[in-house]
Amino acid sequence: EDQVTQSPEALRLQEGESSSLNCSYTVSGLRGLFWYRQDPGKGPEFLFTLYSAGEEKEKERLKATLTKKESFLHITAPKPEDSATYLCAVQASNTNAGKSTFGDGTTLTVKP
Amino acid sequence: ETGVTQSPTHLIKTRGQQVTLRCSSQSGHNTVSWYQQALGQGPQFIFQYYREEENGRGNFPPRFSGLQFPNYSSELNVNALELDDSALYLCASSPSGGGGYTFGSGTRLTVV
Repeated sequence: EDQVTQSPEALRLQEGESSSLNCSYTVSGLRGLFWYRQDPGKGPEFLFTLYSAGEEKEKERLKATLTKKESFLHITAPKPEDSATYLCAVQASNTNAGKSTFGDGTTLTVKP
Repeated sequence: ETGVTQSPTHLIKTRGQQVTLRCSSQSGHNTVSWYQQALGQGPQFIFQYYREEENGRGNFPPRFSGLQFPNYSSELNVNALELDDSALYLCASSPSGGGGYTFGSGTRLTVV
């Protein structure tokens, strides 16, 4: 069974204090790994897709990286508006294309 | 039309009742998936529809059912509601072949 574990559960940073969020996964053949951002009371917002180990994607202050067992979401010089829950999800190559298995997320709070 | 819209935004039902949640998918996305998200947890896959046929299901009982229509709209029906069905229900669309989802803002269902 596919599994996704995210750590830490919660992270509090000062504005400008860089850090990383971890996503550990087990899947029988990775089709893709996805990062989403979710604000309170809203649906997740797609950030990145990673397909193979060594791949990296960047968007503003966020950079996602992928190994064969983990993905990291690096946040450089965060701002208060980066506060949200960040979700990691995997899609396995041996299941129907739509099913994603999600972790429980890391809730990031950035203080000014 | 862009984006995914869901209705209603909030709903309160009594245990044992039936409920229908609605979703209008992003134009051109012929795959729609439904997820259940309990408070503090990641989304759990309920099922997926592709070209009006269910083509994948998670660990949810048959009282969870759905429909997809040719105009990119879809429904999630839940019969015999239980207290544990209280959650945020998310509709997500994607192009065929998988990839990152576009999520709606969800319907918050409370069962009392």
